[in-house]
Amino acid sequence: AQSVTQPDIHITVSEGASLELRCNYSYGATPYLFWYVQSPGQGLQLLLKYFSGDTLVQGIKGFEAEFKRSQSSFNLRKPSVHWSDAAEYFCAVGNNDMRFGAGTRLTVKP
Amino acid sequence: DTGVSQNPRHKITKRGQNVTFRCDPISEHNRLYWYRQTLGQGPEFLTYFQNEAQLEKSRLLSDRFSAERPKGSFSTLEIQRTEQGDSAMYLCASSPDRGRTPLHFGNGTRLTVT
Repeated sequence: AQSVTQPDIHITVSEGASLELRCNYSYGATPYLFWYVQSPGQGLQLLLKYFSGDTLVQGIKGFEAEFKRSQSSFNLRKPSVHWSDAAEYFCAVGNNDMRFGAGTRLTVKP
Repeated sequence: DTGVSQNPRHKITKRGQNVTFRCDPISEHNRLYWYRQTLGQGPEFLTYFQNEAQLEKSRLLSDRFSAERPKGSFSTLEIQRTEQGDSAMYLCASSPDRGRTPLHFGNGTRLTVT
């Protein structure tokens, strides 16, 4: 069965610092992988997606993620965090029955 | 592209009452999904439609839950005899019916059962 693990429930970084959010997945075939961001009281906005090809994918708002099949990981990165990046981040795997991780809440310190 | 629209945004109901939520997907999207999200958790898959056909239902969708998409456009999710454990955010998403495409989510309906 497919599943997603986000090991970090909450991360705090200083504005301007780099960020890496971890995601590990379990999937029987070649996975479709996604990162979504959710602000309080809002729906989910797609940051980036991986279907195939280049394992380093670029997304919106300066985010990128790297697919590592050997580690079953799809970690999200950003070189310099902005205060507006504070939100909940969800990794997801699958297609018709997409499965989400429990999320990582990002706090940005001034 | 007006986005996925969900109504109402908030619903407060008493235990035992029935509630119905509506989702209007992006107009050209054939696939429609319902998810439930509780505090501190990621969205959990409930059910999925392709046009008017309900193709998959999660075991989370108890007999008190029913979803419809009668004309392959908007969808409704009804919860009968609500329980306090039904309190959650109910999210709708849609996608085109062509291969590998991400889901587009609405802003959700927050249900509070008192």
